Amino acid sequence: DAMVIQNPRYQVTQFGKPVTLSCSQTLNHNVMYWYQQKSSQAPKLLFHYYDKDFNNEADTPDNFQSRRPNTSFCFLDIRSPGLGDAAMYLCATSRDRGRAANEQFFGPGTRLTVL
Amino acid sequence: AQKVTQAQTEISVVEKEDVTLDCVYETRDTTYYLFWYKQPPSGELVFLIRRNSFDEQNEISGRYSWNFQKSTSSFNFTITASQVVDSAVYFCALSEGGRGADGLTFGKGTHLIIQP
Repeated sequence: DAMVIQNPRYQVTQFGKPVTLSCSQTLNHNVMYWYQQKSSQAPKLLFHYYDKDFNNEADTPDNFQSRRPNTSFCFLDIRSPGLGDAAMYLCATSRDRGRAANEQFFGPGTRLTVL
Repeated sequence: AQKVTQAQTEISVVEKEDVTLDCVYETRDTTYYLFWYKQPPSGELVFLIRRNSFDEQNEISGRYSWNFQKSTSSFNFTITASQVVDSAVYFCALSEGGRGADGLTFGKGTHLIIQP
């Protein structure tokens, strides 16, 4: 019944050690998003894919990269995690884009700890 | 630039009381969409409602109701006869229609605590 799946739910990495977070969806949605949510803060959009088109937010650090090898999967790569990158990372999908903003379906998130 | 303000950081009420969560937004677009999401302790954001800028009708869904007023740029959310299971962080969010799939701009959230 799961629609947006994120693995792992909890990830611990060391300062500077590359880490990859995974998101998959069973909804066959065209758009996939990655948000960063720090403790007691609002989710903040990092980037999104419309199909294979990658769209980066202007203030997303270069340390964050993303890959979408197919419709179902999207990955968030953090090349050199710093202590400030510890957060909950939320993946979301929406059916399409355009003037009719679609409901976004969120996964349960991956909580990243940087030691 | 778009902005969403949820002035109430935390609200605590006793079960069965009614509670209203405030949301004020800023946008230059004439076409935009407003959302409310619930985030329980498990972390997953749960969609509650979407409203477009051309539809100012209030909406009621069970114990939940929403009051959209363009004149005051507000989209407030009321829970009637609150229950302990309503305890969560609630986010109001905005999407500007002209930007397509550019994601949501969230407010900082209101932590709602329902005490038994």
